[in-house]
Amino acid sequence: EIVMTQSPATLSVSPGERASLSCRASQSISNQLAWYQQKPGQAPRLLIYATSSRATGIPARFSGSGTGTEFTLTINSLQTGDFAAYYCQQYNAWPRTFGQGTKLEIK
Amino acid sequence: EVQLVESGGGLVKPGGSLRLSCAASGFTFSTYSMNWVRQAPGKGLEWVSTITSGSSFIYYADSLKGRFTTSRDNAKNSLYLEINSLRAEDTAVYYCVYGSSFFQHWGLGTLVTVSS
Repeated sequence: EIVMTQSPATLSVSPGERASLSCRASQSISNQLAWYQQKPGQAPRLLIYATSSRATGIPARFSGSGTGTEFTLTINSLQTGDFAAYYCQQYNAWPRTFGQGTKLEIK
Repeated sequence: EVQLVESGGGLVKPGGSLRLSCAASGFTFSTYSMNWVRQAPGKGLEWVSTITSGSSFIYYADSLKGRFTTSRDNAKNSLYLEINSLRAEDTAVYYCVYGSSFFQHWGLGTLVTVSS
């Protein structure tokens, strides 16, 4: 099983600033990585797939990068609605696995 | 507009069984793989199962094999998850999700609570 490790567990950033969230895979997953945003009481929402492709309706403030085992989700000009939990997920192999999540909170 | 509506959750005693359903609309259900993902209260996301469009392949998380059964009815645009021998650790919101590899669209989820 491919283990996905996200860091940090909690990230405190001020509105208007940039946030960088990390995700590491225990083995190479090529570019087969997705990112999801989940707000309290809501279902997750797909943000990024194939490491860097934005899903429909996702603003350009959200960007993804990386390859192999190291990946980053960057959110520029943080807005109030961006403070949420973020999860990475690999789809290179079965079983599909998620990272444990990063909670992005207002500083 | 894609819509996924789960139903069938509720309070169940340990050892009991439950069948969750997901009604899909807004896309050609029969051509897409479908998935179940769960989330225990206050915890992260856990992939449960994927079923391919024609039910040829069904994948399960290793820890859940044997107790969980995923099926679909393309004529009814519906996805199902049967859970047997329920345990307290199965308490979670169960999401119906569409997508072949990554998870493109999520339902609102249905809560399963296992407690005596």
